[in-house]
Amino acid sequence: QQQVKQSPQSLIVQKGGISIINCAYENTAFDYFPWYQQFPGKGPALLIAIRPDVSEKKEGRFTISFNKSAKQFSLHIMDSQPGDSATYFCAALETSGSRLTFGEGTQLTVNP
Amino acid sequence: NAGVTQTPKFQVLKTGQSMTLQCAQDMNHEYMSWYRQDPGMGLRLIHYSVGAGITDQGEVPNGYNVSRSTTEDFPLRLLSAAPSQTSVYFCASSRSQAQKKLFFGSGTQLSVL
Repeated sequence: QQQVKQSPQSLIVQKGGISIINCAYENTAFDYFPWYQQFPGKGPALLIAIRPDVSEKKEGRFTISFNKSAKQFSLHIMDSQPGDSATYFCAALETSGSRLTFGEGTQLTVNP
Repeated sequence: NAGVTQTPKFQVLKTGQSMTLQCAQDMNHEYMSWYRQDPGMGLRLIHYSVGAGITDQGEVPNGYNVSRSTTEDFPLRLLSAAPSQTSVYFCASSRSQAQKKLFFGSGTQLSVL
């Protein structure tokens, strides 16, 4: 049973457009929500993360929006570039525990 | 500073064979973990360790063993390989159990025939 549900599975966006990836969770004990970016043939790498006491976090063109009451969070990539083409994973963690749970992943393709 | 190093990069096994996937980190990280990545299923935690001598099961531990005799090394053993274990395996480490930032290796692509 997937504790973190991610959608869409794949996404195609034109250069300069906005990419939006959504995640939902059930476990209210989760208190740390990172996003990882993975290029083909590489391991995932941390992109950006948020705690549930804030509703939004922005780093450059990447923004996480967090809705605690709905138990949902999303990644927005503004002005998407072909170099952003990768697989994106949302994740959730109980910091009192030791298990980082990942979503299913979204394969993003940004066309030039 | 190499980060997290995994070997081998590719491996083909026959059903029933055993093997060990190697993982080493040179960042003096307390926390290490193994994930498998399968299409449409994301990354699933196999086993993890919060320090030398301490290991615990993750979401999908069956068919795998681990040990952590040193801070640097965290090998993953497949006891009797099965086709269902065909996957890409990633080792990861972080400074602490809080896992604010996981550092991943480049992966091992395993095929079990």
